[in-house]
Amino acid sequence: DVKVTQSSRYLVKRTGEKVFLECVQDMDHENMFWYRQDPGLGLRLIYFSYDVKMKEKGDIPEGYSVSREKKERFSLILESASTNQTSMYLCATHRRGDVYGYTFGSGTRLTVV
Amino acid sequence: QQQVKQSPQSLIVQKGGIPIINCAYENTAFDYFPWYQQFPGKGPALLIAIRPDVSEKKEGRFTISFNKSAKQFSLHIMDSQPGDSATYFCAASTYNQGGKLIFGQGTELSVKP
Repeated sequence: DVKVTQSSRYLVKRTGEKVFLECVQDMDHENMFWYRQDPGLGLRLIYFSYDVKMKEKGDIPEGYSVSREKKERFSLILESASTNQTSMYLCATHRRGDVYGYTFGSGTRLTVV
Repeated sequence: QQQVKQSPQSLIVQKGGIPIINCAYENTAFDYFPWYQQFPGKGPALLIAIRPDVSEKKEGRFTISFNKSAKQFSLHIMDSQPGDSATYFCAASTYNQGGKLIFGQGTELSVKP
């Protein structure tokens, strides 16, 4: 089974801090995604990447950036954390052309105070 | 812009009941419709999926009904059990978008003993 590991389960940061959320997969999946999950809003796509050094904006990229220097690692960066970025962040991977959907990590619950 | 609309937001049923969760989509180019199940503290996991060339798909107690003309699809859980209590997300994607999934808002299901 593919494992998708998110570096932190819970994280508390202060407003204005630069925050790094890490996601690592142990299979050779080309596609990686970052979503945030909020009650009543479902999962909203922040950024995604189809290959190393490639990135594309999702539906809500404002306030975020990403980095993919190695195929197995996809990092989400909050340049200057704000309280409205308090949320659950989920990383997912997908093998290109696979019909079986995404594999998600367990999520990082980020609180910005 | 919410391209996939899911209802209801929450649902309570008795053990043995048949909860039904509905989703509607706008983009006629969508060609893959999965449902994900998420337990507390875990990431979503693929439950069942359908393509628009069939009207129904069953896997165990879970059934997807698909109405292409109405642009709607639904999840039915037969003989529901307390262990089915979870949050359910519908989603949609197009193959030529590289597997990028658009999720609904989620339904929190509680099955009472």
